[in-house]
Amino acid sequence: GENVEQHPSTLSVQEGDSAVIKCTYSDSASNYFPWYKQELGKRPQLIIDIRSNVGEKKDQRIAVTLNKTAKHFSLHITETQPEDSAVYFCAASAARGGADGLTFGKGTHLIIQP
Amino acid sequence: GAVVSQHPSRVICKSGTSVKIECRSLDFQATTMFWYRQFPKQSLMLMATSNEGSKATYEQGVEKDKFLINHASLTLSTLTVTSAHPEDSSFYICAGGPGETQYFGPGTRLLVL
Repeated sequence: GENVEQHPSTLSVQEGDSAVIKCTYSDSASNYFPWYKQELGKRPQLIIDIRSNVGEKKDQRIAVTLNKTAKHFSLHITETQPEDSAVYFCAASAARGGADGLTFGKGTHLIIQP
Repeated sequence: GAVVSQHPSRVICKSGTSVKIECRSLDFQATTMFWYRQFPKQSLMLMATSNEGSKATYEQGVEKDKFLINHASLTLSTLTVTSAHPEDSSFYICAGGPGETQYFGPGTRLLVL
């Protein structure tokens, strides 16, 4: 089955700086890669996703890059703000015309230092 | 994004009892819903895929007789934890969406005493 590795487990950055979280996956059949943000006690919220036919996607301060050959994808957050502090999870699935169960990384606790 | 609701938000029960958790899609029809479990400070683990009108598909290591899933309509999937034990205490979250994107419900925090 799919295995998703996520690094780092904890990331502390100064407010205004950029943060990068990296994930690798094992199953070459995976073609859908979402990122979720989870605040303490809350549900995971989708922040951005990318499909395997695209190498990069951007939404304001958030961007995701995908390297299918190397089987890794990364989340980039620029101009970080205190409200960006949360746990971020990457995930992968082999969706084929519909949803498929997600395999999650272990999460990155992002701390934005004021 | 799509809206998924879940009920109850938290439940405390005695060991040996059964607990039913409801997951509803409010603005889309869900032929497939997913059930995840999250232990404190850990990641989300897929438990099973709930299919409308047919049997659920369980992940390896998840006991289908212990975690009963019913998906009788396009807007409701239920997860019943049967004969709950303290080790079943966890955060149970359902997810679904109109396409391949999954939106999560608010989760149910289960505490088995």
